[in-house]
Amino acid sequence: NAGVTQTPKFQVLKTGQSMTLQCAQDMNHEYMSWYRQDPGMGLRLIHYSVGAGITDQGEVPNGYNVSRSTTEDFPLRLLSAAPSQTSVYFCASRRTGEAGNTIYFGEGSWLTVV
Amino acid sequence: AQSVTQLGSHVSVSEGALVLLRCNYSSSVPPYLFWYVQYPNQGLQLLLKYTSAATLVKGINGFEAEFKKSETSFHLTKPSAHMSDAAEYFCAVSENAGNMLTFGGGTRLMVKP
Repeated sequence: NAGVTQTPKFQVLKTGQSMTLQCAQDMNHEYMSWYRQDPGMGLRLIHYSVGAGITDQGEVPNGYNVSRSTTEDFPLRLLSAAPSQTSVYFCASRRTGEAGNTIYFGEGSWLTVV
Repeated sequence: AQSVTQLGSHVSVSEGALVLLRCNYSSSVPPYLFWYVQYPNQGLQLLLKYTSAATLVKGINGFEAEFKKSETSFHLTKPSAHMSDAAEYFCAVSENAGNMLTFGGGTRLMVKP
């Protein structure tokens, strides 16, 4: 019963390096998204997808890229990491159809950019 | 855009006391509202949600919340706090047909023995 799986759990990057945070879900959910969590600010939406081949920007998309080639996977790419991207990242998914459908979150990925 | 305000970034109660975590929202349409709990170094777990059915919503672990449209509030309560309730709690409102959750800043609940 995996749900939403994120890797890696912890990562330290140097400024300017690139990396990809992986996210996979096994619930056949059409909708997937990435949030970042910063102290006192709750979670903020970075990008989301409502199906394979469809992505859209959220509240804080700058510095991040996404793609959705399969229903299961939704990787988040940092092309040139900056210290401002130090945060905890959460992947989430839900069934589409009803706006009130529950969003399920992964365990989080702690990223530090030095 | 919708917004969510959680009054009190930190709330401390004694074990057995009433828990009240406040959430106010702004929305131009009937909202879907959620409370999530986050234990240290873990993801978010849904406590309960309001989807325009009953205004009093019961969730897991003895928590409940009441939707009050006139006050634009969705406060979370639990009659008797347990040590295991110590965590961070987030209120959120759904918008853009459910494609975006807007979160409050979170309230860290501390339970004293």
